[in-house]
Amino acid sequence: LAKTTQPISMDSYEGQEVNITCSHNNIATNDYITWYQQFPSQGPRFIIQGYKTKVTNEVASLFIPADRKSSTLSLPRVSLSDTAVYYCLVGEWGGSGTYKYIFGTGTRLKVLA
Amino acid sequence: GAVVSQHPSWVICKSGTSVKIECRSLDFQATTMFWYRQFPKQSLMLMATSNEGSKATYEQGVEKDKFLINHASLTLSTLTVTSAHPEDSSFYICSAREVSGGLNQPQHFGDGTRLSIL
Repeated sequence: LAKTTQPISMDSYEGQEVNITCSHNNIATNDYITWYQQFPSQGPRFIIQGYKTKVTNEVASLFIPADRKSSTLSLPRVSLSDTAVYYCLVGEWGGSGTYKYIFGTGTRLKVLA
Repeated sequence: GAVVSQHPSWVICKSGTSVKIECRSLDFQATTMFWYRQFPKQSLMLMATSNEGSKATYEQGVEKDKFLINHASLTLSTLTVTSAHPEDSSFYICSAREVSGGLNQPQHFGDGTRLSIL
């Protein structure tokens, strides 16, 4: 089972800021939080990764509270091309001793004109 | 940087055929590669974890004799769907994690292979 929970879908309008929250109540001390974007018929694309507080790059910001049980991906001024599925991932250890990602349902973001 | 290439991007074949999908890390070395399967409008499902030079670890419910994985080098992993049937039709995606940097290195994904079995 995935270690994360996200809203299934969200709608927004062009130019607005979009915040997608993810719950990961059982996050372990060493886990990082990683967000991916996926367009239809393509592989997921890395957006941002963080461990605590706030991380910002050229496309998004990631806010992580002190308890790290949730995180929020913030997309500033979305455009129609940001319509995609967004996944929040926290890794877990597999039986072979490998750290792996189990995908949750993701959040289907639809940006409207 | 951190580009993962999958080939082929789309394959159509007859039932009973075996199909091989290649996953290459083009500009980095990957000790570990992962294979996922995705049905329309669903999330990615992890099939197996592939470590270079050792046997793959399969997730529960994934038949290892059906989905053969080989990870012979730090830049190449292959998935062979043996004796494919229509129910194997799906979108297969691989990912790779860089050798250096530890567990916080994100996985980089290929663009997937759409497999259609007639």
